[in-house]
Amino acid sequence: EIVLTQSPTTMAASPGEKVTITCRASSSVSYMHWFQQKSGTSPKPWIYDTSKLASGVPDRFSGSGSGTSYSLTISSMEAEDAATYYCLQRSSYPYTFGAGTKLELK
Amino acid sequence: EVQLQQSGAELGKPGTSVKLSCKVSGYNIRNTYMHWVNQRPGKGLEWIGRIDPANGNTIYAEKFKSKATLTADTSSNTAYMQLSQLKSDDTAIYFCAMRGNFDYWGQGVMVTVSS
Repeated sequence: EIVLTQSPTTMAASPGEKVTITCRASSSVSYMHWFQQKSGTSPKPWIYDTSKLASGVPDRFSGSGSGTSYSLTISSMEAEDAATYYCLQRSSYPYTFGAGTKLELK
Repeated sequence: EVQLQQSGAELGKPGTSVKLSCKVSGYNIRNTYMHWVNQRPGKGLEWIGRIDPANGNTIYAEKFKSKATLTADTSSNTAYMQLSQLKSDDTAIYFCAMRGNFDYWGQGVMVTVSS
């Protein structure tokens, strides 16, 4: 099973601040996928195939990485970005999620 | 519009089973895998398994192999997950999701295990 380790676990960012969340895999994966979840709602696809933005995702978000190291970046934090972000690998079964990064507005 | 409508909240006693449903509208489930994911209170997402409704093939995460049973009824465009031998640790929200990028999710159903 591929274990995904996200960091940080929690963080707070001020409006306009650049944010980077990382996801490290215990074995190499072909792509990384990211989801956004706000309290009491279902997760939403956010970034797929490492760097492609899901429909409706603002272009201040970006994704990058390869092999065992991936990241999600927000170029300029906005209030609506406060949420928990999860990475997901579906390169091999069982699919696995990272533990999540809770991003708060400072 | 694609929608996944999950059944209502469940309260189950330890040792019993519950069967959750996920009815899909706007898309033929024969053309996708149906995934199930759980989220324990205050915790992260956990992939349980997936079914190919076209042929019934299933894959489970190891820890759910004797816990969850995935089925699908293509005539009603509905996926199901049965959870057996319920324990307090099974208390969680359970989501169904589909399409390659987990593009569509159900609203989630709360399963509470309590005597």
